[in-house]
Amino acid sequence: QKEVEQNSGPLSVPEGAIASLNCTYSDRGSQSFFWYRQYSGKSPELIMSIYSNGDKEDGRFTAQLNKASQYVSLLIRDSQPSDSATYLCAVNDAGGTSYGKLTFGQGTILTVHP
Amino acid sequence: NAGVTQTPKFQVLKTGQSMTLQCAQDMNHNSMYWYRQDPGMGLRLIYYSASEGTTDKGEVPNGYNVSRLNKREFSLRLESAAPSQTSVYFCASSLQGDVTEAFFGQGTRLTVV
Repeated sequence: QKEVEQNSGPLSVPEGAIASLNCTYSDRGSQSFFWYRQYSGKSPELIMSIYSNGDKEDGRFTAQLNKASQYVSLLIRDSQPSDSATYLCAVNDAGGTSYGKLTFGQGTILTVHP
Repeated sequence: NAGVTQTPKFQVLKTGQSMTLQCAQDMNHNSMYWYRQDPGMGLRLIYYSASEGTTDKGEVPNGYNVSRLNKREFSLRLESAAPSQTSVYFCASSLQGDVTEAFFGQGTRLTVV
């Protein structure tokens, strides 16, 4: 059974701080990694994708991938109260013809307090 | 610019009743998915359709059936609803192949009493 594990949280950070969200995965053959943000009562929204080892930056968000350690993280700089949400790590199913099947972690609840 | 549209948004069923959740996407995506989301368990794949005319089981397919009606539409059917199927259901779609970002519908909150 392919597994994706996230730091359980909840995570609480003050406004302006860096929030660090972590995720490990079991399938060494996985190639694509995603971070989704989900506000309460809403659907998941894609915020970052990463495919290669290293860092990928998009505005205040930085995704980091280390395939050797089977680890992916999301850093949110200058955290804002509007960043308060559940963050879902998703990893593609690399088995056979994957067709984009994603396995999700259980999510980390982030609260940014003023 | 609708993206992925699900109907209905809310539904209450009695145990043993049947219903179909509808999903349509207008992004010309080949692959479509049905997930359920339960508290503390993230999103779990029920069924997926890699392309028009194909469907396959995901992680939790028992008690569900699907139909890929055409490229745009992918429906999920509960033949005999059970309280364990109380959940939030999300439909998603993605381009096939290397582009695997999935885009989600707004969800259906289903309660089985």
